Amino acid sequence: DTGVSQNPRHKITKRGQNVTFRCDPISEHNRLYWYRQTLGQGPEFLTYFQNEAQLEKSRLLSDRFSAERPKGSFSTLEIQRTEQGDSAMYLCASAKGELFFGEGSRLTVL
Amino acid sequence: SQKIEQNSEALNIQEGKTATLTCNYTNYSPAYLQWYRQDPGRGPVFLLLIRENEKEKRKERLKVTFDTTLKQSLFHITASQPADSATYLCALHPPNAGGTSYGKLTFGQGTILTVHP
Repeated sequence: DTGVSQNPRHKITKRGQNVTFRCDPISEHNRLYWYRQTLGQGPEFLTYFQNEAQLEKSRLLSDRFSAERPKGSFSTLEIQRTEQGDSAMYLCASAKGELFFGEGSRLTVL
Repeated sequence: SQKIEQNSEALNIQEGKTATLTCNYTNYSPAYLQWYRQDPGRGPVFLLLIRENEKEKRKERLKVTFDTTLKQSLFHITASQPADSATYLCALHPPNAGGTSYGKLTFGQGTILTVHP
């Protein structure tokens, strides 16, 4: 257990539905990251927060994706109008130095 | 475009032997390189970090080398054990290590290591 908590761990949804994932980082970490990982591939960077400010977004993050980190604590990643191509493991990591990853939220879009 | 390749999708070795995993990259000048371990259904776990001006780093049975001329890192596990079986990922950090891009890692696809008893 790295101390980074993600919920839900698994989500199955139908195409077109909205889903939201939550990440609770290690409390003293001011940096928080979202990555996406598909089967057989390494994680891909999506976005990054320093405290409550979203500092960078990958081109992978289409308009259907939005991430927030109100008050610089937990973060949410919302995917609107899900597509089958969104099926993946969504990983959150927090950092003060090295990155600590959570266990991930696995999304399956039917 | 940037490209990272880990030597093979899978590596099988006998317990007690040294496992050597390779990470090659092109079109990239990383500030540093990291290695992670990932077990099935779990998030990656940080193992080692090596900076561009370091040639070698060790931690217990783990050793990492970094050759910026060859654009290659080697990851060694000595006296391997079945418990070392996992996927190992290398990750590169962009040159602007101290800026806003800190933590924006580019990962390889991983090598699945299986250590047989």
